[in-house]
Amino acid sequence: ETGVTQTPRHLVMGMTNKKSLKCEQHLGHNAMYWYKQSAKKPLELMFVYSLEERVENNSVPSRFSPECPNSSHLFLHLHTLQPEDSALYLCASSQSPDRSVETQYFGPGTRLLVL
Amino acid sequence: QKEVEQDPGPLSVPEGAIVSLNCTYSNSAFQYFMWYRQYSRKGPELLMYTYSSGNKEDGRFTAQVDKSSKYISLFIRDSQPSDSATYLCAMTGSARQLTFGSGTQLTVLP
Repeated sequence: ETGVTQTPRHLVMGMTNKKSLKCEQHLGHNAMYWYKQSAKKPLELMFVYSLEERVENNSVPSRFSPECPNSSHLFLHLHTLQPEDSALYLCASSQSPDRSVETQYFGPGTRLLVL
Repeated sequence: QKEVEQDPGPLSVPEGAIVSLNCTYSNSAFQYFMWYRQYSRKGPELLMYTYSSGNKEDGRFTAQVDKSSKYISLFIRDSQPSDSATYLCAMTGSARQLTFGSGTQLTVLP
């Protein structure tokens, strides 16, 4: 596997379900990100993990819970989601978030549908 | 007002045409400007980046930044059907986070 991988690629869940999205980067990077991409809207940064420090967008609801056990793996735990949470969830990684040029490498995304 | 404005399109052009994609922004602190390309059912991939004002060329692609007007452009010469994708502009200042435009959907017709 190369680059940034995400599983599953597609997910359908009910509002009472609990599920997790997984991301793995094979680039030796030390920062990882979760983004939400909705149709016709800009990518919305949800969470950043860098060297075990977490930075989050304060507007992200608590029904989204990230976990970063090490620099190569990132999870997004989902519970009691709403239909408006249906979107493409993208994971990205970069060498270091403190470098001026933010070259982020993206995974293919998980297409989530909440019924 | 959004920090970054980008016309969502869709934009359709014939093969071989010159394509111009644009973004405007409001935050004067932005110094680094990127263009990402996103094919259907794929994640965005970095196409080009520029620092401050000026032009940068890479093959058929030219990125321009005009900081005085807070306006950036991506030109694609001799466009090909394989260029059909959504193009996202992104930018950042000294902070670690990128601010993205909403993307322009481009179709190059053979």
